[in-house]
Amino acid sequence: GAVVSQHPSWVICKSGTSVKIECRSLDFQATTMFWYRQFPKQSLMLMATSNEGSKATYEQGVEKDKFLINHASLTLSTLTVTSAHPEDSSFYICSATGISYEQYFGPGTRLTVT
Amino acid sequence: QQQVKQSPQSLIVQKGGIPIINCAYENTAFDYFPWYQQFPGKGPALLIAIRPDVSEKKEGRFTISFNKSAKQFSLHIMDSQPGDSATYFCAARPGGNQGGKLIFGQGTELSVKP
Repeated sequence: GAVVSQHPSWVICKSGTSVKIECRSLDFQATTMFWYRQFPKQSLMLMATSNEGSKATYEQGVEKDKFLINHASLTLSTLTVTSAHPEDSSFYICSATGISYEQYFGPGTRLTVT
Repeated sequence: QQQVKQSPQSLIVQKGGIPIINCAYENTAFDYFPWYQQFPGKGPALLIAIRPDVSEKKEGRFTISFNKSAKQFSLHIMDSQPGDSATYFCAARPGGNQGGKLIFGQGTELSVKP
C-alpha cells in the first residue's frame, strides 16, 4: 500500500508560538492532500483539502489564517499552526490520494500547547 | 445530507466471534465507501472499500455488505482476534467536484476478548 509519513510525530510548544507539521507521500505522487484533527475518542474532523500548487480549501469553521497549509510539491504538504494556544492541542493527521480513490493516512502528529 | 451514521459506538466480542459494524447514509451521490482501522496513537489504515455497484466485497477476514436501496453498509470481521481490537471508521466519498474528501462515521471501538 501507499505510504504517507508525518513529521514530527509529537511536539510540545509554548502558547503563542507557531508549529509546522510536514506530510509526505513516500512512494506515490499525491494530487490531493487532506488535513484532519482528532480529539480523544472522537472521529476525524476534516480541516482542509490541498492540491499541489494551489490554495487550500478550508472546511467551514476552520480559521485559514491560523492553520496555514502549503502544498509545495506532489509529495509534500505542510500545516503550520500559528500562535498556538492550549485549545489547539490535538492529534493532527494528514492523508493523501494519488490517481485512485484510495486515501492513505499518515501516522499523525500529537501537538501539545502549554 | 452529508452525514454518515455509524453504530454501535462500542462492541465487545469473544475471540472467534463475528463483530458487525453498521453505517447508514442519506446522500445518494456518495460513490465510494471505505473502512478504516485505527489503533491508539496511530493514523487510520485503509482496510477495505466498496463502490455502490457492488453488493459485497471480501478481503481476507473482512467483508463489506452494501445495500444500495436501504443506503446502508456494514463491516463484518470473521474469526475475530484480540489483535483486531481497535477503532473502526466507515466513510463515504461525495461524488462530483468535491475534491475527493471523505465523510467519516463516528467510529466504533471494538474489543475482542481472548
